[in-house]
Amino acid sequence: NAGVTQTPKFQVLKTGQSMTLQCAQDMNHEYMSWYRQDPGMGLRLIHYSVGAGITDQGEVPNGYNVSRSTTEDFPLRLLSAAPSQTSVYFCASSSRTGGVKAEAFFGQGTRLTVV
Amino acid sequence: AQKITQTQPGMFVQEKEAVTLDCTYDTSDPSYGLFWYKQPSSGEMIFLIYQGSYDQQNATEGRYSLNFQKARKSANLVISASQLGDSAMYFCAMRDRNYGQNFVFGPGTRLSVLP
Repeated sequence: NAGVTQTPKFQVLKTGQSMTLQCAQDMNHEYMSWYRQDPGMGLRLIHYSVGAGITDQGEVPNGYNVSRSTTEDFPLRLLSAAPSQTSVYFCASSSRTGGVKAEAFFGQGTRLTVV
Repeated sequence: AQKITQTQPGMFVQEKEAVTLDCTYDTSDPSYGLFWYKQPSSGEMIFLIYQGSYDQQNATEGRYSLNFQKARKSANLVISASQLGDSAMYFCAMRDRNYGQNFVFGPGTRLSVLP
């Protein structure tokens, strides 16, 4: 059972570079989301999706793009990396059919450093 | 949007003792659920326990239990008989209909278990 697969685990970028964080889930979950984790701030929602073809902004969307062409995949794109985007990024998925009690499943996280 | 507050940035507990981690939330939804996740130093997010707003009893999962006080909008996590392996970050979370029922998280509490 792969669950949520997130790549890469580590990445160093130079300011201004772009990159894509990959996220794939094999549980046929409708909901997928991206978070960033910074010390003292918990996990903050960047972008989310409620199904293929449907995405929307979370709490901190600036500087990031997402797309959801399939149920399985939800890539996060950094358009022009800035040092403020240095963080740990998590992808998560959860089931709609499970209702309010359906838990979120997380990828292993990506530690991104922008220099 | 829903808001989750965890007022204890860090907690210490002696091994074998019980500890309570606080979580308060703000929601206008009549039906909702509270989730607790553990994040050890290795970084993965581990689901611990769930409490539904209409559940008649406080949730329990092994050494984890929830002290759920609906009128006070609090859902405190109680860990009994602490073990060294309980040292980790702990996050309280709930679904937010403003974000397509994706999860929002509190800032977390870092628990350190002392031998």
